[in-house]
Amino acid sequence: GENVEQHPSTLSVQEGDSAVIKCTYSDSASNYFPWYKQELGKRPQLIIDIRSNVGEKKDQRIAVTLNKTAKHFSLHITETQPEDSAVYFCAAPLYGGATNKLIFGTGTLLAVQP
Amino acid sequence: NAGVTQTPKFRVLKTGQSMTLLCAQDMNHEYMYWYRQDPGMGLRLIHYSVGEGTTAKGEVPDGYNVSRLKKQNFLLGLESAAPSQTSVYFCASSYGRENNEQYFGPGTRLTVT
Repeated sequence: GENVEQHPSTLSVQEGDSAVIKCTYSDSASNYFPWYKQELGKRPQLIIDIRSNVGEKKDQRIAVTLNKTAKHFSLHITETQPEDSAVYFCAAPLYGGATNKLIFGTGTLLAVQP
Repeated sequence: NAGVTQTPKFRVLKTGQSMTLLCAQDMNHEYMYWYRQDPGMGLRLIHYSVGEGTTAKGEVPDGYNVSRLKKQNFLLGLESAAPSQTSVYFCASSYGRENNEQYFGPGTRLTVT
């Protein structure tokens, strides 16, 4: 089965700086890697995802990169703003391959200091 | 369009009591999931369903049962609650098996004393 490790567990940045969160996975058959954002007291919501046939995907200030050889993927947030403060979770398919079951990382608490 | 809803929002149980958490979605999604969220441990899959009348075990199924009698509803049951089941429970749904986005409900905070 899949194992997902996420680092760092907490990250504090100044407003305007960039933030990077990294996840590693174990199953080489995994082909889908989403990132979820959870604000305090709220539900997780998908912010970006990437499939294994591409190496990078961008959406305005956020981007995700994937290195299949090293089995890791990263979330990049540029020009951080206070509203980016939240817990971010990466995920990968449980048991790899074509499945819609996800195993989540343990989360990164991002604090953007104004 | 309410999306994914959960009832109740909060509940306190005594050890040994039973309860059922209800999840409903109005997006005609095939897949539904139950997760628990504990501090420092992320979201862990309890049970899931790939369609009406089907259920399967996730990562942490012990102590829980589920049923999917109607496509729009997914019930999570605790037959004999234990303090270790104190957690926030999230239901989610997705359209199908092509690794589509999972939509989460607002969560249920359960405390077992």
